[in-house]
Amino acid sequence: DAKTTQPNSMESNEEEPVHLPCNHSTISGTDYIHWYRQLPSQGPEYVIHGLTSNVNNRMASLAIAEDRKSSTLILHRATLRDAAVYYCILRGLTGNQFYFGTGTSLTVIP
Amino acid sequence: IAGITQAPTSQILAAGRRMTLRCTQDMRHNAMYWYRQDLGLGLRLIHYSNTAGTTGKGEVPDGYSVSRANTDDFPLTLASAVPSQTSVYFCASSDGAGRGVDTQYFGPGTRLTVL
Repeated sequence: DAKTTQPNSMESNEEEPVHLPCNHSTISGTDYIHWYRQLPSQGPEYVIHGLTSNVNNRMASLAIAEDRKSSTLILHRATLRDAAVYYCILRGLTGNQFYFGTGTSLTVIP
Repeated sequence: IAGITQAPTSQILAAGRRMTLRCTQDMRHNAMYWYRQDLGLGLRLIHYSNTAGTTGKGEVPDGYSVSRANTDDFPLTLASAVPSQTSVYFCASSDGAGRGVDTQYFGPGTRLTVL
């Protein structure tokens, strides 16, 4: 699975949108883009995933660049409960490993 | 539905002792995983199992062993603990429906300190 690059940390004001970027310039055509988040003192939890088209679910939206070399996780209205480390991960058709990297630590300011 | 349970929640262990971390899932998932997370770092895969009766090595397998006698349980054993194995250990499972779209579900973690 190819690796990803994310900023170490970001801040957002409460109730404002948050755009968390991820670069994955070595992505292959069959790699899915996954996002997980880890709240303090908890295990990671799934947020969203996509392949080529933008995706929406109740937690977030995923915007994927046309060349698929980058993506953005969008939290439409940040709440204090969204403060977490967000991981961008690529998953291919083979292999069992999720390469979590160090993720982006999101701070939400009241 | 409990999902994934891990035991113990935390443990302090003397170096050289043997320790088994327990993991049980009730989702009937085929695949299970063990990760460790060191302070300030992301998760690293220790061992995995694609289905009952099979196991494989991940990124950091040395010093650890696993078994998968049935679908629900995936214990992780440290045969002779060393201080560098101090970490938080997470167990996860996935339905293995298709690798690209596999979603992993994580347990609450076990905090292990080896002195």
